[in-house]
Amino acid sequence: GAGVSQSPRYKVAKRGQDVALRCDPISGHVSLFWYQQALGQGPEFLTYFQNEAQLDKSGLPSDRFFAERPEGSVSTLKIQRTQQEDSAVYLCASSLGGYNQPQHFGDGTRLSIL
Amino acid sequence: AQSVSQHNHHVILSEAASLELGCNYSYGGTVNLFWYVQYPGQHLQLLLKYFSGDPLVKGIKGFEAEFIKSKFSFNLRKPSVQWSDTAEYFCAVNVNGNNRLAFGKGNQVVVIP
Repeated sequence: GAGVSQSPRYKVAKRGQDVALRCDPISGHVSLFWYQQALGQGPEFLTYFQNEAQLDKSGLPSDRFFAERPEGSVSTLKIQRTQQEDSAVYLCASSLGGYNQPQHFGDGTRLSIL
Repeated sequence: AQSVSQHNHHVILSEAASLELGCNYSYGGTVNLFWYVQYPGQHLQLLLKYFSGDPLVKGIKGFEAEFIKSKFSFNLRKPSVQWSDTAEYFCAVNVNGNNRLAFGKGNQVVVIP
């Protein structure tokens, strides 16, 4: 079956540009998560949605980061005025909901800021 | 600070050798524990998980992990590795019913044929 789909796989942007990263979760999964993974590190939590409600955005590093999931399915992570420290792999995960449900991860978007 | 610790970031071993990867966490309260694996060029996949019950958990591909509450540990083991076990392994925790996962830094494991 189809897994979590993320696009683009790779994104190169100049410092100061805005970027938008897309996540298409597994059909029927109510929970959606965004993580940031820097080189040589484990994923770090950014934000969490249950359906269209953003229930936790405590991991977003600054107000330049914004995420939405308007219809409770596809989600977009937007980064405004990108900076070099934003370079990382951005991972999306989805689950059936509930803390004891495993999260299924996408391949990630590798973002490079020049 | 609350964290998940994985030591020995790079592990190199020969086929048929035994593997043990340590994971320690510093969170109090009720924890759910996970090991994820990322094979080269692939996405993170769940290897095994512990929620409650038997502290010795069996996962896919011959892996197992043991939850030792008194040591705040959830170590991963495999008695005899294969070349195809070359991958990065991440320990992860969620706490007190919180959905977010906290990950360790990972262990890069290379198995030499």
